[in-house]
Amino acid sequence: GDSVTQMEGPVTLSEEAFLTINCTYTATGYPSLFWYVQYPGEGLQLLLKATKADDKGSNKGFEATYRKETTSFHLEKGSVQVSDSAVYFCALRTYGNNRLAFGKGNQVVVIP
Amino acid sequence: GAVVSQHPSRVICKSGTSVKIECRSLDFQATTMFWYRQFPKQSLMLMATSNEGSKATYEQGVEKDKFLINHASLTLSTLTVTSAHPEDSSFYICSARTSGTDTQYFGPGTRLTVL
Repeated sequence: GDSVTQMEGPVTLSEEAFLTINCTYTATGYPSLFWYVQYPGEGLQLLLKATKADDKGSNKGFEATYRKETTSFHLEKGSVQVSDSAVYFCALRTYGNNRLAFGKGNQVVVIP
Repeated sequence: GAVVSQHPSRVICKSGTSVKIECRSLDFQATTMFWYRQFPKQSLMLMATSNEGSKATYEQGVEKDKFLINHASLTLSTLTVTSAHPEDSSFYICSARTSGTDTQYFGPGTRLTVL
């Protein structure tokens, strides 16, 4: 079945550091890929998405590139801020399917 | 745009009682709504999918008689946890999608605590 794997454990880093969160997937067909962010006390918000191979999604300084050859969609940001502290979820949806399959999420803590 | 609200945001109830959670799309018509459950430090687990005017489709292992879902209009879906027990305590999240798009918009979630 479709599944998403995110790197284990929380991520703690200093302000202005470079952030990478790894995401790999297994899917039948050609999925659309998403990153969602959940700020403390709030619901999930779509951060960015990519719908086909080699597409790059970007928003708020975050980027992720759909890599079909490595089945990956790693999230990156060049210089994080304290306000980026949140939980980040990678997700996929296959064509014709309503369901989103989520990874376990990564807590990101940015310290001043 | 694309705002989804949930009510209540928190609810505490006694074991054996039923609790209703509302999910509303405020500025768009939600042809499909989804209900998820999120355990602490875990991912969202899809419970069921509902299309307006149709019966919900439940995921494997989710008891449809325990988690009653109604999607009576294009802007409202409800989840009723019947005869709640402490193991039902969780964070319940809804999302909504309109036809022609694959983007789901999520509500802020409802924290249910069953004593």
